[in-house]
Amino acid sequence: GIQVEQSPPDLILQEGANSTLRCNFSDSVNNLQWFHQNPWGQLINLFYIPSGTKQNGRLSATTVATERYSLLYISSSQTTDSGVYFCAVVTSGSRLTFGEGTQLTVNP
Amino acid sequence: DSGVTQTPKHLITATGQRVTLRCSPRSGDLSVYWYQQSLDQGLQFLIQYYNGEERAKGNILERFSAQQFPDLHSELNLSSLELGDSALYFCASSAKTGSSPLHFGNGTRLTVT
Repeated sequence: GIQVEQSPPDLILQEGANSTLRCNFSDSVNNLQWFHQNPWGQLINLFYIPSGTKQNGRLSATTVATERYSLLYISSSQTTDSGVYFCAVVTSGSRLTFGEGTQLTVNP
Repeated sequence: DSGVTQTPKHLITATGQRVTLRCSPRSGDLSVYWYQQSLDQGLQFLIQYYNGEERAKGNILERFSAQQFPDLHSELNLSSLELGDSALYFCASSAKTGSSPLHFGNGTRLTVT
């Protein structure tokens, strides 16, 4: 099956810093989503971005489908950004395959 | 708020027991998915239903079963529970299959003692 690799596995930032999270996938995808899992366990849908670039406030994402990667940018990070960020992809069918996630800690 | 409702939020039960987790999808969504998140396995796809019919199966144990009812809500039944079944169980829904984003509920945290 498809492999989804996220980097870095862990990231520690000071409040106000910027960061880039990467997601590599091993096959063509029909769907790619970024999620944030907060410390309470909730999975928040950040972006649905099979290709191109999208922005939502301090967050933006870019997927280059032909090169099989996606990037999530977080600018001016806040402590509430802490949690785990997951990339998930769909190849055939409709099941999402998740990466292992990036654990982000933002310190005040 | 994703619009996907899962109940209960927490469940504590003993080994060998049976439990039922319930999911109400977003209004208008026909597809329902179940995922399991455990510490050592990450987020694993269990099963998908589309408009009442099973559409795809993932790493779902034979002790587990699910169904989607005519009103589109879904239930995940877990039986003969083992300690290793302790996990966060998520339900997600989407409008279509494959080309629509999935929206996740807040999960049911199952603890088997």
